[in-house]
Amino acid sequence: DIQMTQFPSSLSAVVGDRVTITCQASQDISNYLNWYQQKPGKAPKLLIYDASKLETGVPSRFSGSGSGTKFSFTISNLQPEDIATYYCQQYDNLPPITFGPGTKVDLK
Amino acid sequence: EVQLVESGGGLVQPGGSLRLSCATSGFTFNNYVMSWVRQAPGKGPQWVSFIGRSGGGPTFYADPVKGRFTISRDNSKNTVYLQMKSLRAEDTAVYYCAKDRDDFGDYTYDHWGQGTLVTVSS
Repeated sequence: DIQMTQFPSSLSAVVGDRVTITCQASQDISNYLNWYQQKPGKAPKLLIYDASKLETGVPSRFSGSGSGTKFSFTISNLQPEDIATYYCQQYDNLPPITFGPGTKVDLK
Repeated sequence: EVQLVESGGGLVQPGGSLRLSCATSGFTFNNYVMSWVRQAPGKGPQWVSFIGRSGGGPTFYADPVKGRFTISRDNSKNTVYLQMKSLRAEDTAVYYCAKDRDDFGDYTYDHWGQGTLVTVSS
């Protein structure tokens, strides 16, 4: 099975900061990588699919990049409503589909 | 508007059974792979199972639930099910159904239900 790691596991930032999260796969997954945002008590929300494509309706301050085994997710101008936990998810060579352990983003 | 509404969760004793349902609307149900994803308290999401577009499958399961859980769908009712047997404490989680973003099976979840809580405890 493909294992996903994410770092950092948590971070604190101020409004307006540029925030970057990294996700690493245990083997090459091409660009079969998605990013989700989850707020407490809510279902995950798709932000980025195929590593770098912005889901419809998602603000352009969110972006993703990478391929193979190393990926990154960036919030270019952190807003208070971006406080959440972010997960990467791979869907190559399935099953299983696997999620990363998450990165919790809060305000400093 | 796409909607997914789960039901059927609750408190069950170890070894017991539950059947979850996910009623959908707002999209052509039989064109999409459907999945169940669970999330244990304080943990990240964990994929559980998915089922192909036709009523008979194909079906795939995560190793921890293989042989105990069965996914099915009724395309006439736009509903996907998860039959869970021999439940264990470690199955305690919020269970979400999720819809693929594209109709060719991309395992990218653009819509999720609100979740239903399953608690396995004596």
